[in-house]
Amino acid sequence: RKEVEQDPGPFNVPEGATVAFNCTYSNSASQSFFWYRQDCRKEPKLLMSVYSSGNEDGRFTAQLNRASQYISLLIRDSKLSDSATYLCVVLRYSNSGYALNFGKGTSLLVTP
Amino acid sequence: DADVTQTPRNRITKTGKRIMLECSQTKGHDRMYWYRQDPGLGLQLIYYSFDVKDINKGEISDGYSVSRQAQAKFSLSLESAIPNQTALYFCATSSSGSSYNEQFFGPGTRLTVL
Repeated sequence: RKEVEQDPGPFNVPEGATVAFNCTYSNSASQSFFWYRQDCRKEPKLLMSVYSSGNEDGRFTAQLNRASQYISLLIRDSKLSDSATYLCVVLRYSNSGYALNFGKGTSLLVTP
Repeated sequence: DADVTQTPRNRITKTGKRIMLECSQTKGHDRMYWYRQDPGLGLQLIYYSFDVKDINKGEISDGYSVSRQAQAKFSLSLESAIPNQTALYFCATSSSGSSYNEQFFGPGTRLTVL
């Protein structure tokens, strides 16, 4: 089983729609969680860290459910500029070292 | 100016050649990382360094080596490039002072090995 799994999509939604992405992780010892955005052929850019109590940044809301080992990202009022691939990222420290595991990404296309 | 820079941005080389990819950062971060990304796959960690005297292998270090010349510089070498090392390579940085250890990425180097 992959350490971080995401639905690859693509999600095609109209402008103004609300869209939600989910991500699951396999290691219960994981400590930090993030959503990154990646545009085609560009570097991943941090969208938001995911806090245990959930957090919101403008139109974006992230939730963490440690019991079920999943992370979600909700985008409200989608804009054309939100079209990108969204990467779920999970950090774990262990005796064997440091592991930052990336999901393969969920592709979002927002259409006019 | 970009906080994390990578050189070169694009490189085409031949099998067996030695290649060095360089990364510099002005963020003042102590931790640096090298990743590769292949189409349809997630990023994979090659090597990471938590300070100048610290080098650690990631999940796919075979065929690669690194050098941390200074806190701000971290280079990746392919001693004898092979075609399956064709990929997009990213350098990243983070700060040990950050509670969440968020990483910040450079613009990437697109490497093609013929």
